[in-house]
Amino acid sequence: NAGVTQTPKFQVLKTGQSMTLQCAQDMNHEYMSWYRQDPGMGLRLIHYSVGAGITDQGEVPNGYNVSRSTTEDFPLRLLSAAPSQTSVYFCASRGTADYLETQYFGPGTRLLVL
Amino acid sequence: EDKVVQSPLSLVVHEGDTVTLNCSYEVTNFRSLLWYKQEKKAPTFLFMLTSSGIEKKSGRLSSILDKKELFSILNITATQTGDSAIYLCAVDSYNTDKLIFGTGTRLQVFP
Repeated sequence: NAGVTQTPKFQVLKTGQSMTLQCAQDMNHEYMSWYRQDPGMGLRLIHYSVGAGITDQGEVPNGYNVSRSTTEDFPLRLLSAAPSQTSVYFCASRGTADYLETQYFGPGTRLLVL
Repeated sequence: EDKVVQSPLSLVVHEGDTVTLNCSYEVTNFRSLLWYKQEKKAPTFLFMLTSSGIEKKSGRLSSILDKKELFSILNITATQTGDSAIYLCAVDSYNTDKLIFGTGTRLQVFP
């Protein structure tokens, strides 16, 4: 199993550009989520999904969209990038019946918005 | 509003020292508290705590939860340079599917 994969690893955008951060998992996990991590802020939840076709907002959803058309994929879209979205983004997944100790994190995407 | 507060924000010690990291929380219908270690990349799981007073231990790391006073501590004895990392605390409730993270404690261990 590859676990949770994220692409790209690093991206530079100009203000106003759009892009999609990809996240995929091959563990047949129901729950997937996106976090952003900024210095001194810990991990903040952006959006999450409890299964294909179901998504919900986390703490900091503004400026981001998600969809969950398959169990495996949970892309995060930035519609019009802003410098405030410069951050490291982590995707995570866990199985329906698992305790949270088995939440798996992807390696992260570092995003710089100029 | 659910929240998790970690202290100290930053800690610098020498190898061999013992450190205690703190995590206090406010959450409705608490289910569990988790500790993660984050080095250069993604967080890696350390402990999950659900019951008060039961110590979880792994090598030189140990953790305990106090559900009455709403806090947890993570102890690291005989620290090594490899313990240098950000230590994250997160809580989970029966109400939601979300993990709420604290800001983390950055630990630096010097030789």
